[in-house]
Amino acid sequence: AQSVTQPDIHITVSEGASLELRCNYSYGATPYLFWYVQSPGQGLQLLLKYFSGDTLVQGIKGFEAEFKRSQSSFNLRKPSVHWSDAAEYFCAVVYQGAQKLVFGQGTRLTINP
Amino acid sequence: DAGVIQSPRHEVTEMGQEVTLRCKPISGHDYLFWYRQTMMRGLELLIYFNNNVPIDDSGMPEDRFSAKMPNASFSTLKIQPSEPRDSAVYFCASSRTSGRTQYFGPGTRLLVL
Repeated sequence: AQSVTQPDIHITVSEGASLELRCNYSYGATPYLFWYVQSPGQGLQLLLKYFSGDTLVQGIKGFEAEFKRSQSSFNLRKPSVHWSDAAEYFCAVVYQGAQKLVFGQGTRLTINP
Repeated sequence: DAGVIQSPRHEVTEMGQEVTLRCKPISGHDYLFWYRQTMMRGLELLIYFNNNVPIDDSGMPEDRFSAKMPNASFSTLKIQPSEPRDSAVYFCASSRTSGRTQYFGPGTRLLVL
């Protein structure tokens, strides 16, 4: 079955530190990859997406992600986090020919002042 | 542009009552998705529609749940009768066939007492 794994349930970083959130997806046809962010009590907001082309994609709020087909990974990065980045982050995949998003379990990010 | 609109934002009801959740997708989007989010199970796809037709309802937990899309701008998710285990956040999302990017509404927080 197609699946998405986010190995880290909870990550704590200090404000101003760099961040990397991991995401691995199960092997399948060409994937379309997404990162969403959910602030407490809010809906899911699209951070960035990868369909094809340059494997390093830029998103909103200073986030970027890199697609590595050989590792089946799509890790999210930010060089310097802000207190407002505290939220839950979801990685998701849609495979070519499909419409259903498969979500990871999410990573909760806490920022220390 | 207006995003996905959901109503109500919060719903508190008693066990056995009927609950109706509403969703207005983004204009021009031809796919509509209903999700449920709980701490235990994360984000689950319940059902999705294409051009107002239900395509996959395999995620609907049981016969107490039903969903309709009478036209391109409106969908409902109904629970009858409701049970305490139905307490969750219910999200609606929409996308275009060519885009595959799903845009989420703010969600309806349902509490069944």
